[in-house]
Amino acid sequence: QSALTQPPSASGSPGQSVTISCTGTSSDVGGYNYVSWYQQHPGKAPKLMIYEVSKRPSGVPDRFSGSKSGNTASLTVSGLQAEDEADYYCSSYAGSNNLNVVFGGGTKLTVL
Amino acid sequence: QVQLVQSGAEVKKPGSSVKVSCKASGGTFSSYAISWVRQAPGQGLEWMGGIIPIFGTANYAQKFQGRVTITTDESTSTAYMELSSLRSEDTAVYYCVGGGAFNYWGQGTLVTVSS
Repeated sequence: QSALTQPPSASGSPGQSVTISCTGTSSDVGGYNYVSWYQQHPGKAPKLMIYEVSKRPSGVPDRFSGSKSGNTASLTVSGLQAEDEADYYCSSYAGSNNLNVVFGGGTKLTVL
Repeated sequence: QVQLVQSGAEVKKPGSSVKVSCKASGGTFSSYAISWVRQAPGQGLEWMGGIIPIFGTANYAQKFQGRVTITTDESTSTAYMELSSLRSEDTAVYYCVGGGAFNYWGQGTLVTVSS
């Protein structure tokens, strides 16, 4: 399966909102409501921020939200803060069996 | 709360194999999926495969079919990932990840392939 498509970079000023897209196909993003988003700071393991398109794990600020339309999922970070600067990755279940996952290439979010 | 602790860094020769372990604590080991995800230096995340211990059968990304083996030992709540026929491009940090939504991440294991 092919990787999901994310913009390589995104940026915003503190307090602003930024949206990162994640485009797949009807065989992954468009076919299932199993899109997740991860935040990764340099030298650290990724952290789950959004799962099942729009659900937030306990402890994740509600400034982070997810949505999906057709074959494209989106992560919106509202009220940008300096600590939001990180790499963000999307993933999607890609069908065929119990475990089959594809990741996006990642987006570097810069807080200006 | 599930915690995943991986084995230490490895340096391997091209053509050899590496086996990375991932010991879980908290939760019920047999009930949640364990996946392996790797990240080459400066690159993105790549799903290699995964297993749900209670089902026992692993699924692998097509790219790694025939070269990777994922197993679990329920008696010690430990998952293993073995990658064979190593080449320089396999140099990466390898993460074990628990949960269907990749909720829990190990600390990562750096595998360096170099002659």
